[in-house]
Amino acid sequence: NAGVTQTPKFQVLKTGQSMTLQCAQDMNHEYMSWYRQDPGMGLRLIHYSVGAGITDQGEVPNGYNVSRSTTEDFPLRLLSAAPSQTSVYFCASSSTYGGGQPQHFGDGTRLSIL
Amino acid sequence: RKEVEQDPGPFNVPEGATVAFNCTYSNSASQSFFWYRQDCRKEPKLLMSVYSSGNEDGRFTAQLNRASQYISLLIRDSKLSDSATYLCVVTPGTGRRALTFGSGTRLQVQP
Repeated sequence: NAGVTQTPKFQVLKTGQSMTLQCAQDMNHEYMSWYRQDPGMGLRLIHYSVGAGITDQGEVPNGYNVSRSTTEDFPLRLLSAAPSQTSVYFCASSSTYGGGQPQHFGDGTRLSIL
Repeated sequence: RKEVEQDPGPFNVPEGATVAFNCTYSNSASQSFFWYRQDCRKEPKLLMSVYSSGNEDGRFTAQLNRASQYISLLIRDSKLSDSATYLCVVTPGTGRRALTFGSGTRLQVQP
């Protein structure tokens, strides 16, 4: 009963390095999204996807890329890590977008950029 | 103005108390409303949806006031295990955007 799986759970990077945060769901959900959460702030939407091959920007997309080649996977790429990207990252999925469907979240990836 | 605003708290209440949180939203076309619970920076989990007529789930009652653009969450007979951050969540009225989260209200129930 996996649900939404994020890897890694923790990561430390140096400024300028790149990396990919992985997200996979096994519920055949159309909608997937990436959020970041910083202390004292709510979850802010980075990118989202309404289906395989379709992605769009959220509130804070700069410095991040996404792709959605399959329904199951929605990786988030940091192109050149910056200290401002130190945060907790959550991936979420739902059966459809909007329409009142609840989001299922992964456990989160705690990322530190030195 | 933020799309979704919440009092960050913390609300410190004794066990058994009744506590209420409000959340205001700015987009009058918003369609769906939820309360999520988040423990210690773990992943948010759906607590309950909020329906126009109001709805109850055990000790929890949610209300929606579209005219004043706010939703509320009432917790009766607070338990220590209710200590968490409660996130107000709103879906936009149009487009394909995902949910908009409030910053959360922190509740600390004390023995």
